[in-house]
Amino acid sequence: DAGVIQSPRHEVTEMGQEVTLRCKPISGHDYLFWYRQTMMRGLELLIYFNNNVPIDDSGMPEDRFSAKMPNASFSTLKIQPSEPRDSAVYFCASSPPGQKYEQYFGPGTRLTVT
Amino acid sequence: DQQVKQNSPSLSVQEGRISILNCDYTNSMFDYFLWYKKYPAEGPTFLISISSIKDKNEDGRFTVFLNKSAKHLSLHIVPSQPGDSAVYFCAASVTVSGFQKLVFGTGTRLLVSP
Repeated sequence: DAGVIQSPRHEVTEMGQEVTLRCKPISGHDYLFWYRQTMMRGLELLIYFNNNVPIDDSGMPEDRFSAKMPNASFSTLKIQPSEPRDSAVYFCASSPPGQKYEQYFGPGTRLTVT
Repeated sequence: DQQVKQNSPSLSVQEGRISILNCDYTNSMFDYFLWYKKYPAEGPTFLISISSIKDKNEDGRFTVFLNKSAKHLSLHIVPSQPGDSAVYFCAASVTVSGFQKLVFGTGTRLLVSP
């Protein structure tokens, strides 16, 4: 079975540019989560969806961040404009119906904003 | 405001000895606790969990202990193996508007030397 797929794996961009991170959850999973990992704050939940509907976006740092889930097999996290402090590893995770706690993570996208 | 804290950023142990990773939390509404393991360039993977109504859960070499009065949990690995070298994240679950949300700590890097 394919796990959670994220692209790109690495992204280097200049400050002010738009960045789009992509995620394909595991088929049949109805929860999708976006996390950001930094040394100082560990894994922070940014936003999560249930059945393609955003449930909680209180972790999104500011209006420069937006996330969409147009269908059950695809989600995007967009940063516009990007800033150096956005540099981090961004993870997408999904979990199946009825599985309240365990989440399956993708390999992450390492974002560097110069 | 870190609700889940892992105060030791790193831990080194010798192969065959016990590894003890600690985690403290502040929110008494957390009802489930998990440990995730993360290798470099990979996403975190679920390791072991414990419900708030229990004080111990064991799975092979891994045991998680929960002390609710102290708001403390720990992960014991016995015996430790070099393949256990990874970053370990503690996570706690809370119900928000009917949905489960995981709050992660900052992680502890475990190095097991031969």
